Formats: sequence, C-alpha cells, structure tokens
Amino acid sequence: EVQLVESGEGLVQPGGSLRLSCAASGFTFSSYWMHWVRQAPGKGLVWVSRIDSDGTTTSYADSVKGRFAISRDNAKYTLYLQMHSLRVEDTAVYYCAREYANSWHFDSWGQGTLVTVSP
Amino acid sequence: QLVLTQSPSASASLGASVNLTCTLSSGHSRNAIAWHQHQPGKGPRYLMKLNTDGSHSKGDGIPDRFSGSTSGAERCLTISSLQSEDEADYYCQTWDTGIWLFGGGTKLTVL
Repeated sequence: EVQLVESGEGLVQPGGSLRLSCAASGFTFSSYWMHWVRQAPGKGLVWVSRIDSDGTTTSYADSVKGRFAISRDNAKYTLYLQMHSLRVEDTAVYYCAREYANSWHFDSWGQGTLVTVSP
Repeated sequence: QLVLTQSPSASASLGASVNLTCTLSSGHSRNAIAWHQHQPGKGPRYLMKLNTDGSHSKGDGIPDRFSGSTSGAERCLTISSLQSEDEADYYCQTWDTGIWLFGGGTKLTVL
C-alpha cells in the first residue's frame, strides 16, 4: 500500500524557516516525481513545487520561488520542503503527492502537515 | 493562461446523482484533467483521470458510482447513488507548460 506521511508541523514567526518531510513507503520512491501542494485556511488546493525522480530538476510556483527548496533522499524514501523567509500567507496545510508515472496527475496523497506563520 | 473553473457549491439528496463540472479556459479544451476528493480532516484522494475523449481511468478502490465524461471544454464528474461519505470538496487538476493547476473546488453537500 502506498503511504505518504508528512511531518514538520510548526508555528513560525514571519521571516523564519521550517523544513517539512514526507516519508514514503509501499512503492519504489526513486521512480516517481513528487510534489508539494498546500491549502490555506478556507481556500482551495494550490500546487507549490515538484521534483523529478532523481532530484536533478525542480520547479516552483511563483509565490514561493526563491524562498522554498524541494529536495529528496531516495535512499531514505523521503521528500523535503525547506521553507525560508516565511510569510503569513504561507500559513497552510502542506501535502506531499506522488505524480503518476510522470504523467502530470497526482495519484497518491499524504494526510498533510500544518504550517502556521504568525507574529 | 489555462484556468480551471468549478462551481463553488453543489448539493443533492442521499441516493440521488450529481454532476460536478470543471471547465477549461478558452484554447485549452483538449487538456485531460484529474478529479480529486477532499474530505474534511483528511488528505485528498485521487478519483480518476479524465481524457479529452471521455475515457477515464480510476484510482484504486474507487467505486463504480464515480464516473466521468467530457463535452467540449467541460469535464464532468458524476456521482450516483450518493452516500453521506461523498460529502466533500472536489477538485479538478491538470498541467500546463510546467505548472500544475487546480480548479477552485466544489463543495458537495449531501442532503
């Protein structure tokens, strides 16, 4: 069974940093592109970032470009999101998601981890 | 720029059927989409990929009550024999030139 489990929940002041992790199991992690998606309170799902299967290529939403960094450790079956210069508007539940066979749609999701940015 | 448009809310009675629609913006009517269900307090759940020709491939364990169809720029998710656990937010999702996109979501209420 595919499982994605996020961790790293926290309360951070504006300008602070936080690192999220996503532990994967039940599939060959190194074969899949992976993503982070977030949901701000009362809002919809918004794509944040993606990384290819071997970690060489990444992309970001404009709202986080230059502040967030996605990475992965295929040996540890873990996806990361390093967040810097956090803003109040980054407050959200962050989900990791697996991209199906590199074909753009997400076929597995984690349960999410909450990031709160507040003075 | 590709935009996915969904009605903010929908409602239907227990046991009835409901159609949820995702409309692709002008010039993008050939894009396939995916549908995801998001129940309160849980992670989203992949329902299906819906192709331009109306064919669809469902995620593991998705009941036959969930089906999809296509008409021009509209991508429709039909849920039949509505159950209380179908009450959730439903999002369409696609990809365009290096950006992964979601519709605004439809909140489905089961009466």
